[in-house]
Amino acid sequence: QQPVQSPQAVILREGEDAVINCSSSKALYSVHWYRQKHGEAPVFLMILLKGGEQKGHDKISASFNEKKQQSSLYLTASQLSYSGTYFCGTEHTGGFKTIFGAGTRLFVKA
Amino acid sequence: DSGVTQTPKHLITATGQRVTLRCSPRSGDLSVYWYQQSLDQGLQFLIQYYNGEERAKGNILERFSAQQFPDLHSELNLSSLELGDSALYFCASSVGAGAGNEQFFGPGTRLTVL
Repeated sequence: QQPVQSPQAVILREGEDAVINCSSSKALYSVHWYRQKHGEAPVFLMILLKGGEQKGHDKISASFNEKKQQSSLYLTASQLSYSGTYFCGTEHTGGFKTIFGAGTRLFVKA
Repeated sequence: DSGVTQTPKHLITATGQRVTLRCSPRSGDLSVYWYQQSLDQGLQFLIQYYNGEERAKGNILERFSAQQFPDLHSELNLSSLELGDSALYFCASSVGAGAGNEQFFGPGTRLTVL
């Protein structure tokens, strides 16, 4: 079951904040976050495990709400380099597949 | 640079043909994943191998097959190609096989079927 990402797209000015959500209808074991620039490979941002803590580095962080089967990616004080498509990938207990959402397109303008 | 290599970078072929895409994982990684990404679409999981054995299968067509060799490199074979097979094909690798392993993606192979 493909996770649902929202919003589908967002436009920001440099310095603004954004939140991208990823929801699943099935119990989650882990959530991956990746950023992909047009024509390039997805780049790993972070992974959150069930029972784990909120993670983050620099101005990008993420949380995992087990009760809601939802993860959120927080981008603070956005920079031009944050532009791209953000994908969440979900995994379920006992599974080996990572199922990716349709992506959220983020555009940061000066 | 993720450390995952894929060849070739670009491939142009005709309908009905067969092609082979190659992937070498990062040093030390035992798992290899294959994904298909059509134009401006998300990543569709095809198949995963761990240390030479198939571990998980996604929506992979019967015309497609893959294998992982003893040196851990992997090949994805696409046969009887159709126009709709045109896409970016990514390989990713990780250390382990189960959930919770971060995946590192190669640069991809862009397949164009004419």
